[in-house]
Amino acid sequence: RKEVEQDPGPFNVPEGATVAFNCTYSNSASQSFFWYRQDCRKEPKLLMSVYSSGNEDGRFTAQLNRASQYISLLIRDSKLSDSATYLCVVNEDSWGKLQFGAGTQVVVTP
Amino acid sequence: DVKVTQSSRYLVKRTGEKVFLECVQDMDHENMFWYRQDPGLGLRLIYFSYDVKMKEKGDIPEGYSVSREKKERFSLILESASTNQTSMYLCASSYSGGGNEQFFGPGTRLTVL
Repeated sequence: RKEVEQDPGPFNVPEGATVAFNCTYSNSASQSFFWYRQDCRKEPKLLMSVYSSGNEDGRFTAQLNRASQYISLLIRDSKLSDSATYLCVVNEDSWGKLQFGAGTQVVVTP
Repeated sequence: DVKVTQSSRYLVKRTGEKVFLECVQDMDHENMFWYRQDPGLGLRLIYFSYDVKMKEKGDIPEGYSVSREKKERFSLILESASTNQTSMYLCASSYSGGGNEQFFGPGTRLTVL
């Protein structure tokens, strides 16, 4: 069983619409949570950290549900430039080792 | 600006060859990581290092070794390349401690024939 599981998509989203997707993690001792973004043929880059109380960064909202062990990402008012693969990432130790999900592909269409 | 560089973007090698992939970071990060990325499997950790001359196995270390002689440089070695090691290899670095952002290099697409 994978430690971090994501729906691979693709989520096809009309421009201006809202899209949301989740990931689940298996290790209840996980300490920190993140969403990374990976554009086609590029390296992953940090999109945002996910805090217990939920947090927003512009059009992006992240939520954490520790009881059910899932993380969510919501994108409002989608732009064409939001087309990418979104990686759910979990930190399980105090050294900085991360577990990556396989990613959810989002395609925003005009 | 933060920078992680990898020695090659594309590499083609033959089965049985010894392959060296180099990664250099200029951010004085303590941690360095080597991943491979395959479709549907995501990023899988091969090896990581918390300090100079220190290395730890990740989830899939078989067939690989690493070297970290200087803080800024982390090398991945394929002792005898095999076709199942054809993949995208990504290097990353971060400050020590949990919860810190990892910065990635552009990746090396390795093909083993």
